[in-house]
Amino acid sequence: NAGVTQTPKFQVLKTGQSMTLQCAQDMNHNSMYWYRQDPGMGLRLIYYSASEGTTDKGEVPNGYNVSRLNKREFSLRLESAAPSQTSVYFCASSVITGTDFYEQYFGPGTRLTVT
Amino acid sequence: KQEVTQIPAALSVPEGENLVLNCSFTDSAIYNLQWFRQDPGKGLTSLLLIQSSQREQTSGRLNASLDKSSGRSTLYIAASQPGDSATYLCAVEGPTGGGADGLTFGKGTHLIIQP
Repeated sequence: NAGVTQTPKFQVLKTGQSMTLQCAQDMNHNSMYWYRQDPGMGLRLIYYSASEGTTDKGEVPNGYNVSRLNKREFSLRLESAAPSQTSVYFCASSVITGTDFYEQYFGPGTRLTVT
Repeated sequence: KQEVTQIPAALSVPEGENLVLNCSFTDSAIYNLQWFRQDPGKGLTSLLLIQSSQREQTSGRLNASLDKSSGRSTLYIAASQPGDSATYLCAVEGPTGGGADGLTFGKGTHLIIQP
């Protein structure tokens, strides 16, 4: 049981390049999330997916797109990377049933630098 | 907009002391509150989850309390050990519900336990 996995662990991009961050969970969770963590800012929600086939914007969605490929996988795409997107990106998953909320489990993160 | 504040931002204490970390949030209409631990360069590990109807949760030497009406939570660590050194993050879910908000995080308390 690997929990939440993310690839790659590290990435350096040049301004204007594109890339996709991959996330997968094996806990049969229905909800998945992408956050970014910046020094002095805490973690902020980029996008979330309440269930397979649905995605919604979080607090800081500009410059990103997401795909909920199936129940296990939720990818984050940077179409044209900018230095302001240098950050650590975390994927998370949880179970939500009606108004019942459960723990969010986080992946190890992807450290992205845009030069 | 929900805001989460953690005090103190940093704390250094000798081994063996009992200590309290504080978390406050501006909107009391939360669904749950979660405490996490983050080691340098690592992802987040969930420590305790308190549902909105609960007052406290305990796990080993950790005890977290929740006072929704006053918008406060505390994390109590008993008999601290050097291995407890990490950044501790408080996060709340809500008030929209249904996973729409993801988690709103505080900026964390950086804890150092001196041997």
